Amino acid sequence: KAGVTQTPRYLIKTRGQQVTLSCSPISGHRSVSWYQQTPGQGLQFLFEYFSETQRNKGNFPGRFSGRQFSNSRSEMNVSTLELGDSALYLCASSLLPGLANRETQYFGPGTRLLVL
Amino acid sequence: QKEVEQNSGPLSVPEGAIASLNCTYSDRVSQSFFWYRQYSGKSPELIMSIYSNGDKEDGRFTAQLNKASQYVSLLIRDPQPSDSATYLCAVIFGNEKLTFGTGTRLTIIP
Repeated sequence: KAGVTQTPRYLIKTRGQQVTLSCSPISGHRSVSWYQQTPGQGLQFLFEYFSETQRNKGNFPGRFSGRQFSNSRSEMNVSTLELGDSALYLCASSLLPGLANRETQYFGPGTRLLVL
Repeated sequence: QKEVEQNSGPLSVPEGAIASLNCTYSDRVSQSFFWYRQYSGKSPELIMSIYSNGDKEDGRFTAQLNKASQYVSLLIRDPQPSDSATYLCAVIFGNEKLTFGTGTRLTIIP
């Protein structure tokens, strides 16, 4: 069974631009969570989607948004990029959302975004 | 703000000794605790979960939870160089959001 895939793997953008990252969960998994990882702040939760609905959201500005499609694939978008948005963006999928499914949550390889 | 704190390290441990990684958290009502391992340039992978006070053993790994003192630890017995990685502690603070510490970088010295 294929793992979580994320595209693109690397991305370079300039300040003010916007970016869209994609995540395809493990086949059969319906919940997708997004995280941002930086050396200073560590791994921070962005949002979680299930059945095309956002279930949970972290403490990030409105420039960060996401969506999920009927096939469970998810995208996240960052508008008006700032230098501080440079990070590794990780997507994780699980069968179902919520507490009971954290043990079956698998991370993708991540998209490394550099904002210049 | 709910927080999870870890010593960033690096923590150097001789091969064959016991590696001890510690984590403290800020919210007394937290019920779910996880340890992830992240190799350099790779994504995190879950190695242990613990929900009740006490010890939980899985192979060479033992997770210890003390809710009264609000800390959770991970012991690695007989560590090998392949265990060299960053270890992330994560806590669910009631609202199902997984909150991570910044991680402890562990180096096993041959």
